[in-house]
Amino acid sequence: DAGVIQSPRHEVTEMGQEVTLRCKPISGHDYLFWYRQTMMRGLELLIYFNNNVPIDDSGMPEDRFSAKMPNASFSTLKIQPSEPRDSAVYFCASSLRGSYEQFFGPGTRLTVL
Amino acid sequence: GQQLNQSPQSMFIQEGEDVSMNCTSSSIFNTWLWYKQEPGEGPVLLIALYKAGELTSNGRLTAQFGITRKDSFLNISASIPSDVGIYFCAGQPGGTSYGKLTFGQGTILTVHP
Repeated sequence: DAGVIQSPRHEVTEMGQEVTLRCKPISGHDYLFWYRQTMMRGLELLIYFNNNVPIDDSGMPEDRFSAKMPNASFSTLKIQPSEPRDSAVYFCASSLRGSYEQFFGPGTRLTVL
Repeated sequence: GQQLNQSPQSMFIQEGEDVSMNCTSSSIFNTWLWYKQEPGEGPVLLIALYKAGELTSNGRLTAQFGITRKDSFLNISASIPSDVGIYFCAGQPGGTSYGKLTFGQGTILTVHP
């Protein structure tokens, strides 16, 4: 079975550019989570969706960040404009309703110069 | 927000030794999960605990859900070099919305052959 798929695996961009990260959850999972991981702050939940609807976006740092889930098999996290402090590893995870067990993708390492 | 205190922050051990790490919280958690993260990868779920006092094993790994519901520990017996990685505890705080996990800061494990 395919796990959570994320693309790209690495992204290097310049400050001010738009960045779009992509995620395909495990088929049949109805919850999708976006996390950010840094040395200083560890793993932080940014936003999560249930049945494609955003449930809690209180972790989104600021208006430069936005996330969408147009259908059950695809989600994007967009940063516009990007800043050097956005450099981090961004993870997508999915889970099934009734289970607290979240399954993580391999992550996207973002570097903003 | 909710915080988990995970200790120790890092461990350097010899192959064959047993390892113990734990997480504590000032508030009650409904669920405890233990994840392992290897370099360049996303966290992988090792063990999930759902009931106070529950003791669960997965091969050489054993985890327990504290009876007070405010702590959990993970033991690794007879460590091997491939146990190297960062181990995270995660929990679902009582009273929070479904699916929203809080993560500990991680324990970095190094195993010397």
